[in-house]
Amino acid sequence: AQKVTQAQTEISVVEKEDVTLDCVYETRDTTYYLFWYKQPPSGELVFLIRRNSFDEQNEISGRYSWNFQKSTSSFNFTITASQVVDSAVYFCALSEAEQAGTALIFGKGTTLSVSS
Amino acid sequence: DTGVSQNPRHKITKRGQNVTFRCDPISEHNRLYWYRQTLGQGPEFLTYFQNEAQLEKSRLLSDRFSAERPKGSFSTLEIQRTEQGDSAMYLCASRDESYNSPLHFGNGTRLTVT
Repeated sequence: AQKVTQAQTEISVVEKEDVTLDCVYETRDTTYYLFWYKQPPSGELVFLIRRNSFDEQNEISGRYSWNFQKSTSSFNFTITASQVVDSAVYFCALSEAEQAGTALIFGKGTTLSVSS
Repeated sequence: DTGVSQNPRHKITKRGQNVTFRCDPISEHNRLYWYRQTLGQGPEFLTYFQNEAQLEKSRLLSDRFSAERPKGSFSTLEIQRTEQGDSAMYLCASRDESYNSPLHFGNGTRLTVT
């Protein structure tokens, strides 16, 4: 069965601190995709990144970086030098290999609060 | 391209009433999804369309729920005989047919059943 666990319910940091959001997943498939989405207070889910199971290279995009480790089934997300605008709920999600639907399975989310 | 559009943004209804929500996906996207999100939870998959065909339904989708996408463009989600437990944010998402392309979500319809 597929499952995504985000153990951190809430994290509070002060601006300019670095913060890492944890994501652990479970799947029986060897081919799968992992995603991170951001949900700001406005409510719309914003796509951040997609990673397939065959690509374990870490990725950096500006202040965002992602660490994918198959050995520990983790796909962690780090924000460097956090800003108030980073305050949002962040969701990790999993989808298995291309099938009819390929619906995303979401974790429960981590609420990040960045104060000035 | 204005993104995924959902109407209404908010709906308050009395228990037992029927409600219908509309989703207009990104125009070139042939795949459309409905999700439900309750407070403190991640979105939960409800159903999926490829063009006008409804190809998958979650166990969460009781027989009081029905979704349509008659011409493969916009979609509607109807809830009959609403219950207080139906109160949630209903999210629509669309994607194109490229391999595991990401979902693009709308702002959702927040339903409150009193």
